[in-house]
Amino acid sequence: DSGVTQTPKHLITATGQRVTLRCSPRSGDLSVYWYQQSLDQGLQFLIQYYNGEERAKGNILERFSAQQFPDLHSELNLSSLELGDSALYFCASSTTGASDTQYFGPGTRLTVL
Amino acid sequence: DAKTTQPPSMDCAEGRAANLPCNHSTISGNEYVYWYRQIHSQGPQYIIHGLKNNETNEMASLIITEDRKSSTLILPHATLRDTAVYYCIVRVNNAGNMLTFGGGTRLMVKP
Repeated sequence: DSGVTQTPKHLITATGQRVTLRCSPRSGDLSVYWYQQSLDQGLQFLIQYYNGEERAKGNILERFSAQQFPDLHSELNLSSLELGDSALYFCASSTTGASDTQYFGPGTRLTVL
Repeated sequence: DAKTTQPPSMDCAEGRAANLPCNHSTISGNEYVYWYRQIHSQGPQYIIHGLKNNETNEMASLIITEDRKSSTLILPHATLRDTAVYYCIVRVNNAGNMLTFGGGTRLMVKP
């Protein structure tokens, strides 16, 4: 158990819908990262937040957005969902957001029908 | 970040040491070598990391060559539960802190 929690575990929805994925970092960690893992793309970095501020952005679609709240939990919002958004979404956290180790949560499996 | 090259798959007998190689010939002086593994579709699990010295923890040992162009992750006594995809990642030691995952090595531990 890494100490990072993600909810829900599974999510099934329809095209065009909007969903919110939630992540709670390890106690004391200030930085949260979101990754997407699809069958054809592997694990890809989406976005990083550090202490409430966006720090780095990867290949995140404009239909996707994220935020980190004062209690340091983070939410990833996916809108206008397409079939290709079906994937595993992982959250990771680290202490400072610099070179320290990232610890991953169990993931949310999103299925878009 | 430097690119890494890993064999796509390897087999290992249960109870034997599993030696997973990684080539990172373009690594720069401030890049660390990190190893993660992913068991089935679970979240990637941190194993170990190092800069230039060999490292050991309760899970594994990391051997980095003197020129730092390659490394080997050693699982000393592989069990069936070690069957997973193992990712070798090299990472700049400052901003831009994302992990860049390649294809990894699918390790199959066989009884």
